[in-house]
Order: sequence, then C-alpha cells, then structure tokens
Amino acid sequence: DAMVIQNPRYQVTQFGKPVTLSCSQTLNHNVMYWYQQKSSQAPKLLFHYYDKDFNNEADTPDNFQSRRPNTSFCFLDIRSPGLGDAAMYLCATSRKPGLALSSYNEQFFGPGTRLTVL
Amino acid sequence: QKEVEQNSGPLSVPEGAIASLNCTYSDRVSQSFFWYRQYSGKSPELIMSIYSNGDKEDGRFTAQLNKASQYVSLLIRDSQPSDSATYLCAVNRSGANSKLTFGKGITLSVRP
Repeated sequence: DAMVIQNPRYQVTQFGKPVTLSCSQTLNHNVMYWYQQKSSQAPKLLFHYYDKDFNNEADTPDNFQSRRPNTSFCFLDIRSPGLGDAAMYLCATSRKPGLALSSYNEQFFGPGTRLTVL
Repeated sequence: QKEVEQNSGPLSVPEGAIASLNCTYSDRVSQSFFWYRQYSGKSPELIMSIYSNGDKEDGRFTAQLNKASQYVSLLIRDSQPSDSATYLCAVNRSGANSKLTFGKGITLSVRP
C-alpha cells in the first residue's frame, strides 16, 4: 500500500544532542512537509519542499533544518534540541498543485515521531 | 481574529446521535477545505475534502461548505464510540501555495 513512513516512531535524546528524524513516501508526491505538534495544539508547519525547492516558515527556529535527497525521502535535523522541542513531529505529503482539483493539496500524514528531550 | 476557528469543545454526544462540528475561516480567497480526525497519540487522518459550496457526503460523514459565510462544518451521523477523537479543520488558500492552516481542533466524545 502507498504510504508515508516515519522513523523512528519514538526518539529520546538528551538536551543539546543532535537528532535526525526521517520520512519516506511511496505516494510519489511532489510536496513534503514537516510539522511540529504539541499536546492539544494544532500542527505547526516548520517547512516544506515543493520538489527540491525548500520553503522555510518565517518563525521556524534555525535549530531546525531539513534535507530532501530525493523524491521519496525527507529528513528533519534538530541541531541542539531543547526541552521545548519535545513534541510529535509529523511528516505529510501532497500532490503538486495544478493537478485534478479533487485531489488538490490533500495532505497525507505519516504516523509521526514522538520526540522526548531529557 | 484567528485564521481558522473551531467552536470550543469538548463536544459530547450519545451513541447514535448526530455530531455537528463547526469551523469558520477568515481568508475569503480560501479554496480547499479539509477535515482531519486525530486519535489521541496518533497522527491526523484525512476524512473529508470539500471544494464547492454545498454538501458532500461520504458514508456517515457530511461536509458542508458556505463560502459566503466563510463556514465549513462536519456532520457525523449515527455517532459511534469509535468516532471519539479530535477533529481538525484545515483550509488552503489557493494557487501555488500548498500550505494548510489548521484550526486548534475540537474533541468529540461519543457516550455509549
């Protein structure tokens, strides 16, 4: 089945120790997103890739970086995690806008990675 | 004014009742509207998309869109305990902007 996969599902790191979260997709979607979601809050978009074009949100801290080496994979790097970075990190994908309206910008989420910072 | 606002919850309904979830948005040029269901500790799951004014039905779910009133709703008929979750409303502006704006969500509890 076509899907969005995130690894690991649970990540524990120490304060200040770099961590990398990964996302892969078999949907062949052009656009990939990274969201941060804290308890009882809406998902917060960190950045997204439109094909290889990187789009950073204005309020995303420099501590967060991303890489997309190919269509299928996208990584989230947190260079120096702080206690406030503990959250669920969600990867999502969507088709390129301009295709059939019926599927326009439907975003499909992976299962998420729960990050704990000690 | 918040960009996407969902009426305050939590919402509790008895099993078999109709649950009505509402959402308003501030950007008049919004074109695409989505409802996601999120179980506790899980990721959001897309359950409905709607693009045109009117109703769209899928099984027990009906999405309703009124662009003039900037209002989108989700009705769940014959509510089941398994429908207990947080429901997120999301809105997309239009054009090449691929981003969604999410509401904070409303938590639905269906009492057996």
